[in-house]
Amino acid sequence: DAKTTQPNSMESNEEEPVHLPCNHSTISGTDYIHWYRQLPSQGPEYVIHGLTSNVNNRMASLAIAEDRKSSTLILHRATLRDAAVYYCILRDHQAGTYKYIFGTGTRLKVLA
Amino acid sequence: EAGVAQSPRYKIIEKRQSVAFWCNPISGHATLYWYQQILGQGPKLLIQFQNNGVVDDSQLPKDRFSAERLKGVDSTLKIQPAKLEDSAVYLCASSLEVVNTEAFFGQGTRLTVV
Repeated sequence: DAKTTQPNSMESNEEEPVHLPCNHSTISGTDYIHWYRQLPSQGPEYVIHGLTSNVNNRMASLAIAEDRKSSTLILHRATLRDAAVYYCILRDHQAGTYKYIFGTGTRLKVLA
Repeated sequence: EAGVAQSPRYKIIEKRQSVAFWCNPISGHATLYWYQQILGQGPKLLIQFQNNGVVDDSQLPKDRFSAERLKGVDSTLKIQPAKLEDSAVYLCASSLEVVNTEAFFGQGTRLTVV
């Protein structure tokens, strides 16, 4: 299973943009990059995913490096409700199981 | 749309006792996952079902853990006998199909083994 590396923690001020980095130097051509977040005492929830092109949805944007060895999750205006652990996950769409392998994630603290 | 339902929310048992967790996935979701999340760590996949068949159980401690998904809908995860190190949150998730992009997680069952 391909591995991801994320900072243990980050801080951001409320209403400012947040850039959460993820390194995945061993990514294969068929690995999709997924982001999930886990709010306190909740199960993880889907944020966004992509393969090669940058992606936008109502929650966030995903910027993928041209060589695909790194990516960045962008929260455009952080709110207190965005305080959570953010997980960057590689999911091989050619393997039989397509399983999600979580790392330790980045704990985001949002300051009022 | 109703989410993934899990019960109980909390369970405290003594070591060497047995315990079972129940999961009702979102209607129509063929893929079901059980994860174990120890405090301070990311979720660890225990077992993955596709309909009622096991796709991956490589991380399931089969000497004490068992799981089943009868009729491809609800699922139960059992621990017998429990050890102190089994204290964790057990998360169930489901997705429409294996290659679908989004998995939906339940709130989990917090197990404390004393």
